[in-house]
Amino acid sequence: QLQLQESGPGLVKPSETLSLTCTVSHGSISSSNYYWGWIRQTPGKGLEWIGNIDYSGSSYYNPSLRSRVTVSVGTSKNQFSLRLSSVTAADTAVYYCARVSSAYFAINYFDYWGQGTLVTVSS
Amino acid sequence: EIVLTQSPATLSLSPGERATLSCRASQSISSYLAWYQQKPGQAPRLLIYDASNRATGIPARFSGSGSGTDFTLTVSSLEPEDFAVYYCQQRSNWLTFGGGTKVEIK
Repeated sequence: QLQLQESGPGLVKPSETLSLTCTVSHGSISSSNYYWGWIRQTPGKGLEWIGNIDYSGSSYYNPSLRSRVTVSVGTSKNQFSLRLSSVTAADTAVYYCARVSSAYFAINYFDYWGQGTLVTVSS
Repeated sequence: EIVLTQSPATLSLSPGERATLSCRASQSISSYLAWYQQKPGQAPRLLIYDASNRATGIPARFSGSGSGTDFTLTVSSLEPEDFAVYYCQQRSNWLTFGGGTKVEIK
């Protein structure tokens, strides 16, 4: 069964860049035609889509976050990453990586999710 | 941005009862709506996609209906493991989620 796991610092200082990596196991992002995405969850704003990417690097971002977000495919065939710049306390959230549910669809639902990682923005 | 409004915020029911959850979109989204279930400390789990299609492995007691702006998730007879928070999500115009409905034990 496909598994996803987020990793990265749990604490980031205001104005710095948040960086997370998602590692995919029991499957390969390089040999599939799926898109892979990042979603975050806060008590205040609920679930918020951040961005999606495929292995070729074709990416799509939430318009409200686009100016600060970069999603990229890692050097490892089974990793993709999130960078969110100029963070504030409002970016404190549980960050999830997930697979987009239908091959070739860049914008769709999510069928496999990581367990999530809490990132706190604080000095 | 398409806003999804879920109601009620909380639903208090007993096991065996029928649960009816609503999701309303701020503009028509055709049938491009999904439902997720989330339990404490877990990621959301895809239940229904494109308004009425059950995802792989989802029990038949979960059903979805609706199109345009009004959608419903029905759980025909609540099992103990069904008490959770449920979210809707649209894919008609980028991706947005509703605020959730908590189904709690009465």
